[in-house]
Amino acid sequence: SQKIEQNSEALNIQEGKTATLTCNYTNYSPAYLQWYRQDPGRGPVFLLLIRENEKEKRKERLKVTFDTTLKQSLFHITASQPADSATYLCALDLYSSASKIIFGSGTRLSIRP
Amino acid sequence: NAGVTQTPKFQVLKTGQSMTLQCAQDMNHEYMSWYRQDPGMGLRLIHYSVGAGITDQGEVPNGYNVSRSTTEDFPLRLLSAAPSQTSVYFCASSYSSSGGAGELFFGEGSRLTVL
Repeated sequence: SQKIEQNSEALNIQEGKTATLTCNYTNYSPAYLQWYRQDPGRGPVFLLLIRENEKEKRKERLKVTFDTTLKQSLFHITASQPADSATYLCALDLYSSASKIIFGSGTRLSIRP
Repeated sequence: NAGVTQTPKFQVLKTGQSMTLQCAQDMNHEYMSWYRQDPGMGLRLIHYSVGAGITDQGEVPNGYNVSRSTTEDFPLRLLSAAPSQTSVYFCASSYSSSGGAGELFFGEGSRLTVL
């Protein structure tokens, strides 16, 4: 069956440490993979996009890796801050002739001071 | 710049009633989509559209209809509401429909309760 799994429902880490979130997928071949942040009661907000032929993408304190052999993406937040506390969603763009974007269930990240 | 606007923000329906969730974007985006979000289940794709006059089914299309007569609007219709359709609904849009949709811009959501 096809599925997208994000490593855990919740992740708690100490401020200043690196948070690492995992997105694994089965029986999909995404052309692109995206990460979003969602705060309670709000719509998701785009963070990063990585293409299937890219291994790594960085933006400020964020880094995403994409391994199409392992069918896995890792999302890192370095020097984490309490303001980074939110739910993080990975999304696969199953682009062939048109895009079709599907999401994982998300990981709730809490950064404690 | 309003972005993606969803109305209504809250709605309570009785089983069997019909209604339309409205979604409008002012960014001239080709790609638009509807998701529902239930606790612990992330976002599930209902329907999507790559341009005016073109729609397709997502992961959970049953019980929902869509149409795309203009670039700006993408309404979601519930013909006969069921309690299983109680959820938060999000509309999203993106500039590119070819070569990948790119960054999705989301509305603030519509919370629907079906009694």
